[in-house]
Amino acid sequence: DAGVTQSPTHLIKTRGQHVTLRCSPISGHKSVSWYQQVLGQGPQFIFQYYEKEERGRGNFPDRFSARQFPNYSSELNVNALLLGDSALYLCASSLQGQGQQPQHFGDGTRLSIL
Amino acid sequence: GQNIDQPTEMTATEGAIVQINCTYQTSGFNGLFWYQQHAGEAPTFLSYNVLDGLEEKGRFSSFLSRSKGYSYLLLKELQMKDSASYLCAVRLSGGSYIPTFGRGTSLIVHP
Repeated sequence: DAGVTQSPTHLIKTRGQHVTLRCSPISGHKSVSWYQQVLGQGPQFIFQYYEKEERGRGNFPDRFSARQFPNYSSELNVNALLLGDSALYLCASSLQGQGQQPQHFGDGTRLSIL
Repeated sequence: GQNIDQPTEMTATEGAIVQINCTYQTSGFNGLFWYQQHAGEAPTFLSYNVLDGLEEKGRFSSFLSRSKGYSYLLLKELQMKDSASYLCAVRLSGGSYIPTFGRGTSLIVHP
């Protein structure tokens, strides 16, 4: 079975541009979460979606937005990119939005802002 | 606020045992995860503790003491492939259940 897939794997943008990152969860998983990981740090929570509704939001500015589609895939959008947005963006899926199920991570999208 | 502390870096010898500690001070607690992350790769799930005590899974074991806000990951019979970052993550109570991650401990295993 396919794991969590993210696209693109790498992306280079310039300041002020917009970016859309995509994530397909493991088949059967209904919850998708997005994280930002800066080099040398742990993942920082951005959003969680479950059954197409936002279940949680981390401490990120309104430039960051996301949505989940009927097939449970998800998009993360970032507007007005800043140099500090350069990071690895991880998507994780789990069966449900709560409980003891572990999250399964994709390989991430490495975003570089020039 | 939430505070999760792990050592930044540890080194160990192939075949040895290493213990990676994690202490946390959080508003609510609903379980603690350990993840392994090799450089340039996704974090992979290792263990989940919600009750006090030791959980053993092959060469890896994880311990939790909720009263002390403390956990450790024990790696036995270290192999070179165990060189990776080990992430401690606390799942907070109160509805969201989103895990909050520590900075990770970079483990270097040398021959």
